[in-house]
Amino acid sequence: DGGITQSPKYLFRKEGQNVTLSCEQNLNHDAMYWYRQDPGQGLRLIYYSQIVNDFQKGDIAEGYSVSREKKESFPLTVTSAQKNPTAFYLCASSGAKRNEQYFGPGTRLTVT
Amino acid sequence: AQRVTQPEKLLSVFKGAPVELKCNYSYSGSPELFWYVQYSRQRLQLLLRHISRESIKGFTADLNKGETSFHLKKPFAQEEDSAMYYCALSPSGTYKYIFGTGTRLKVLA
Repeated sequence: DGGITQSPKYLFRKEGQNVTLSCEQNLNHDAMYWYRQDPGQGLRLIYYSQIVNDFQKGDIAEGYSVSREKKESFPLTVTSAQKNPTAFYLCASSGAKRNEQYFGPGTRLTVT
Repeated sequence: AQRVTQPEKLLSVFKGAPVELKCNYSYSGSPELFWYVQYSRQRLQLLLRHISRESIKGFTADLNKGETSFHLKKPFAQEEDSAMYYCALSPSGTYKYIFGTGTRLKVLA
C-alpha cells in the first residue's frame, strides 16, 4: 500500500512533555512537509524539507523541531515550548517543486 | 507578503445550482495555483491545478492575473460536492506552499 502514513491517529499528552509525531512515505518524494490545521485558520506550514539532512522553518516553527535523516521519514517533535499544541497535524510530500502534494491521514494531538 | 485569501468560510447552495468558491492571492511573481479538497473522513487531496487546465468532477478554475484570482466554479452542484475546499499557491523557485483558510461547501438537497 503506497502513500503517506502518519501515526498515531490520536495522541494524548500532559502539558510539559515533548511528543513526536511520525510521518513516513514510500512515494520516493524528495520534499516533505508538516502543517497544522486549526478550525478557521486553514493549513499553516510548520517545517518543510527539500532533501535529506536539510529542512526549513515554515510560518509557525516556534515550539516545534524536525529531523530528516532518511528520505522516507520526517518526524515532528512538539516541544513543551509550544504554547498551544492541541491541534490536528498533517504531513505531506511532493515529488518536485510546485507539484502536487500528497497528504497523510493526520494526527490529532491533545495536550492537557 | 505572499498570501491566499478565501473570503467565505461557509457556502451553502442547493443541488443543481451553480457554485463559485472564491480565491484571491497576493504574489508578485508567476504563481502556481491549486485547489485541494477534503471530503468527510478522507484525506486532503488535489482537485485541480491551473497549469493543467483540466475539468475535474465538473469543476474548473481560471487564473485571472489582473484580478489575482483563481476562483473554483461548477455549473451544477451535486450533494457529493459537499466538502472543505482549500486554495493554495506555490511561489516560483520554491518547494513551499501557502494555503488559504478554506471554504466549507454544503450542497443542500
